[in-house]
Amino acid sequence: SQQGEEDPQALSIQEGENATMNCSYKTSINNLQWYRQNSGRGLVHLILIRSNEREKHSGRLRVTLDTSKKSSSLLITASRAADTASYFCATAETSYDKVIFGPGTSLSVIP
Amino acid sequence: NAGVTQTPKFQVLKTGQSMTLQCAQDMNHEYMSWYRQDPGMGLRLIHYSVGAGITDQGEVPNGYNVSRSTTEDFPLRLLSAAPSQTSVYFCASRRQGSTGELFFGEGSRLTVL
Repeated sequence: SQQGEEDPQALSIQEGENATMNCSYKTSINNLQWYRQNSGRGLVHLILIRSNEREKHSGRLRVTLDTSKKSSSLLITASRAADTASYFCATAETSYDKVIFGPGTSLSVIP
Repeated sequence: NAGVTQTPKFQVLKTGQSMTLQCAQDMNHEYMSWYRQDPGMGLRLIHYSVGAGITDQGEVPNGYNVSRSTTEDFPLRLLSAAPSQTSVYFCASRRQGSTGELFFGEGSRLTVL
């Protein structure tokens, strides 16, 4: 698999705190995406960052990408109980159309 | 628009039985794909298609067949189900090209006894 690991595997924080999740990958990529999955549901796209970008913001989300370290981080600021979900990073290879997912981080936000 | 529709939502099979998981999208997306999700392993790509008549293997293709006769439909076939294929299956689509978000169906939970 081209995908590495996400850490932490599970994260529990209080409402209002920030949550940071990290993702590593193994090969050259075209872009990296983050998705969210509520329990028992399909995945929903959150944000995409291209390989020539270093940082991107969308609302309370901030994504960074370090292609030299083959890693990315997702920061959720001022977390809410409704942010409780699993979060996955996914990479799109440069040569093919495969989109490969990591194992995910389970986030619990305690009210 | 319905987006990506998967059927059935739940299915129980006996070992050796065959079945087809259906996936349809109404967004005119060229790219479609199938993933399986198992606890602690994220989503693993089974097969994908970049257009009608074109399919290719993903990370875990063994035991599964696909075909793409139309842009809208991308069925996943299990010819002889095994307990190791117990999983939740997700279909996803997007516009062709290596950028762009994937749109997911709600999943099909398959149990093989």
